[in-house]
Amino acid sequence: AQSVTQLGSHVSVSEGALVLLRCNYSSSVPPYLFWYVQYPNQGLQLLLKYTSAATLVKGINGFEAEFKKSETSFHLTKPSAHMSDAAEYFCAVRVSGGYQKVTFGTGTKLQVIP
Amino acid sequence: EPEVTQTPSHQVTQMGQEVILRCVPISNHLYFYWYRQILGQKVEFLVSFYNNEISEKSEIFDDQFSVERPDGSNFTLKIRSTKLEDSAMYFCASSQTAQETQYFGPGTRLLVL
Repeated sequence: AQSVTQLGSHVSVSEGALVLLRCNYSSSVPPYLFWYVQYPNQGLQLLLKYTSAATLVKGINGFEAEFKKSETSFHLTKPSAHMSDAAEYFCAVRVSGGYQKVTFGTGTKLQVIP
Repeated sequence: EPEVTQTPSHQVTQMGQEVILRCVPISNHLYFYWYRQILGQKVEFLVSFYNNEISEKSEIFDDQFSVERPDGSNFTLKIRSTKLEDSAMYFCASSQTAQETQYFGPGTRLLVL
């Protein structure tokens, strides 16, 4: 079975500070990994995805994530937080092999303090 | 940029009533999905649909639920005899192939009273 665990339901950073949102996955087969962002009253927007090519994945809005198989992690980072980054972030996993179900983590709400 | 749309954005219904949630997937996508998010909980997979058939479903997707593609553009989720615990945000998603990224709509917030 596949699963993801997001450490920290709430993270606060100062504007301009590093953003680090943690995600660990569990999968019995090579996974596809995703980060989605949800702004208030909006749907889920794809930030970036890992599909077994480069282990460092760059996404939209300056975010990136690194796939580390040895640590079963896929943490999301951004060097400098903007006020507009305040949202809820979801890590998600889908196993390869034709399965379509995406399994989401519980989400991390990011607060950016001016 | 093409996007998935959903209607209505909010729906309030009485327990025991039937509701139909509607989605218009991205036009060249062939795979369609429904997920739900109960307030404060994870986004959960309900069902995937391809070639007018359910291709995968979760244990949540029981006989109370059904999906349909009634025409070339819409994809619907019907919930028969709604229960209080069906109150949630329901997300529709679509993808071009089974392996491609799933793109999500803005959701329908369903409240069952």
